[in-house]
Amino acid sequence: DTAVSQTPKYLVTQMGNDKSIKCEQNLGHDTMYWYKQDSKKFLKIMFSYNNKELIINETVPNRFSPKSPDKAHLNLHINSLELGDSAVYFCASSQEPSGVDRCCQYFGPGTRLLVL
Amino acid sequence: AQSVTQLDSQVPVFEEAPVELRCNYSSSVSVYLFWYVQYPNQGLQLLLKYLSGSTLVKGINGFEAEFNKSQTSFHLRKPSVHISDTAEYFCAVTRRSGNQFYFGTGTSLTVIP
Repeated sequence: DTAVSQTPKYLVTQMGNDKSIKCEQNLGHDTMYWYKQDSKKFLKIMFSYNNKELIINETVPNRFSPKSPDKAHLNLHINSLELGDSAVYFCASSQEPSGVDRCCQYFGPGTRLLVL
Repeated sequence: AQSVTQLDSQVPVFEEAPVELRCNYSSSVSVYLFWYVQYPNQGLQLLLKYLSGSTLVKGINGFEAEFNKSQTSFHLRKPSVHISDTAEYFCAVTRRSGNQFYFGTGTSLTVIP
């Protein structure tokens, strides 16, 4: 009954490859996010989708393409992986904060990506 | 725009000693404030949140935080830490009318036996 799940948990791949990370939430939330956490633990938002629509798209190389087939899923596809893509990628979800009980983001366990 | 500052990147503290992790934010509008904890090799978990009402907020594992509007701070405290509290702690802020979270750079708490 995991709230936000990600697969795979670990991903080791060669430079130049294309890979995908999947995220699913069973909380009924409308909004989903992808974050990148670098080696210094800095957490930076990459994308946000609300009801399958892209609402936040930070300055991220266009090799990264999010895809939201439905409200409960937000997948991240990365083309032509580079060494600098090595990081931990977190998926999160939230209900829009239109009420005091619907404020918070719930995070997945993270996907540790290592590009060799 | 919002921003979050965690001045202390690393905080070592002896077991059973008190600890305070500092967080300051900047915002021109009303916000919600949060503390998240990340244990080694795990995802982020919500520790506590301030939405409205009492400025002293109690969270899990004996942590509490106090919202100070005049100082735009939301410092996290625990009167007596355990070894198991060793983790990375992130302060975050979001506008009451939005849903983008802004995270601080994190504070690494190391509890020394």
